[in-house]
Amino acid sequence: ETGVTQTPRHLVMGMTNKKSLKCEQHLGHNAMYWYKQSAKKPLELMFVYSLEERVENNSVPSRFSPECPNSSHLFLHLHTLQPEDSALYLCASSQDFTGGPQQTYFGPGTRLTVT
Amino acid sequence: AQTVTQSQPEMSVQEAETVTLSCTYDTSESDYYLFWYKQPPSRQMILVIRQEAYKQQNATENRFSVNFQKAAKSFSLKISDSQLGDAAMYFCAYRGGTSGTYKYIFGTGTRLKVLA
Repeated sequence: ETGVTQTPRHLVMGMTNKKSLKCEQHLGHNAMYWYKQSAKKPLELMFVYSLEERVENNSVPSRFSPECPNSSHLFLHLHTLQPEDSALYLCASSQDFTGGPQQTYFGPGTRLTVT
Repeated sequence: AQTVTQSQPEMSVQEAETVTLSCTYDTSESDYYLFWYKQPPSRQMILVIRQEAYKQQNATENRFSVNFQKAAKSFSLKISDSQLGDAAMYFCAYRGGTSGTYKYIFGTGTRLKVLA
């Protein structure tokens, strides 16, 4: 797997823990995204960054805190999560965020389980 | 608001056979893009094929082709000569054509099993 990498691939955390998900893209893209993928539900867009600036925060609870220190790296900081936050968290990138026909490149995801 | 519906949670196909995955969508826009993404088990989602709404010709990518029916708002994916590596979740997605519209509207996915 190349292009967009995510670590860790699996994470189990208690409700009082603090952890971070990391995403890195090696494609020279300017836009990065966090998605939440839950079983039997459509992918939910959480955050969008363009050139390290947050473009969108899609009504995501404050227990999820994104950080984009540069155009290649994206973090999702987690604290005091709830069991319903258990899901696959996907990072993605695209050349820019103008949409159209351009392809989005996804990472393999972090499988998060909140106990 | 736009919606995307994949009515088949799961499909099976025999190796070397052909299978069609269904997708319908609802929109009031005239300009938009449609995509099929494939997500193999424990691997990243990749683009299979895309279609511009203004193009009448159906998109094809090797063994993958679409049947785009704009009036019916239908966008099905046909996989010919199915291979074991085609087993995956397939997601249909819509994106509006207005410049700056980066959001996808995804369907709930269809799990494709390929039987040897």
